[in-house]
Amino acid sequence: EAGVAQSPRYKIIEKRQSVAFWCNPISGHATLYWYQQILGQGPKLLIQFQNNGVVDDSQLPKDRFSAERLKGVDSTLKIQPAKLEDSAVYLCASSLVPGGETQYFGPGTRLLVL
Amino acid sequence: DQQVKQNSPSLSVQEGRISILNCDYTNSMFDYFLWYKKYPAEGPTFLISISSIKDKNEDGRFTVFLNKSAKHLSLHIVPSQPGDSAVYFCAASPGISGAGSYQLTFGKGTKLSVIP
Repeated sequence: EAGVAQSPRYKIIEKRQSVAFWCNPISGHATLYWYQQILGQGPKLLIQFQNNGVVDDSQLPKDRFSAERLKGVDSTLKIQPAKLEDSAVYLCASSLVPGGETQYFGPGTRLLVL
Repeated sequence: DQQVKQNSPSLSVQEGRISILNCDYTNSMFDYFLWYKKYPAEGPTFLISISSIKDKNEDGRFTVFLNKSAKHLSLHIVPSQPGDSAVYFCAASPGISGAGSYQLTFGKGTKLSVIP
């Protein structure tokens, strides 16, 4: 069974530029999560989708971050414009049903904002 | 405000001995706790969990203990193996919310090194 795929794996941009990350969840997984993991910290949930609807985006900085999950499969996370403090690993996870035990994480996209 | 705390950034243990990783939490609404393991350049993988109605859960070499009154949990690995070397994250959840969100709050992680 293929795992959660993410691309790109690494991205370097300058502040005020825009960037987008892509996630392809495990086939059949209805729930999709985006996490931000800053160096030395644990992952922090940014947004949770159930199919193509948003369940929880309470920690998403909506002035610069946006995410969508069209057709309830793939998802993209966008930052526009990026700030230095956005440097982090962005993790995508998916699960068949909502829950911590069932979340499968992708390898992450490491973003460096200069 | 850090609601889940892992106060030891790193831990070194000899192969074959016991590894004990600790985690404290402050939010009384948390009732489900999980441990994840993370290797470099990979995403975290679920290891073991415990519900607040239990005080112990065991899975092979891994045991998680929960002390609700102290708001403390620990992960025991016995015996420790070199392949256990990784970063271990403690996470907590209030369980399902009305909106169906199982929002996890993670600690900062503890890097375990098992020395052969």
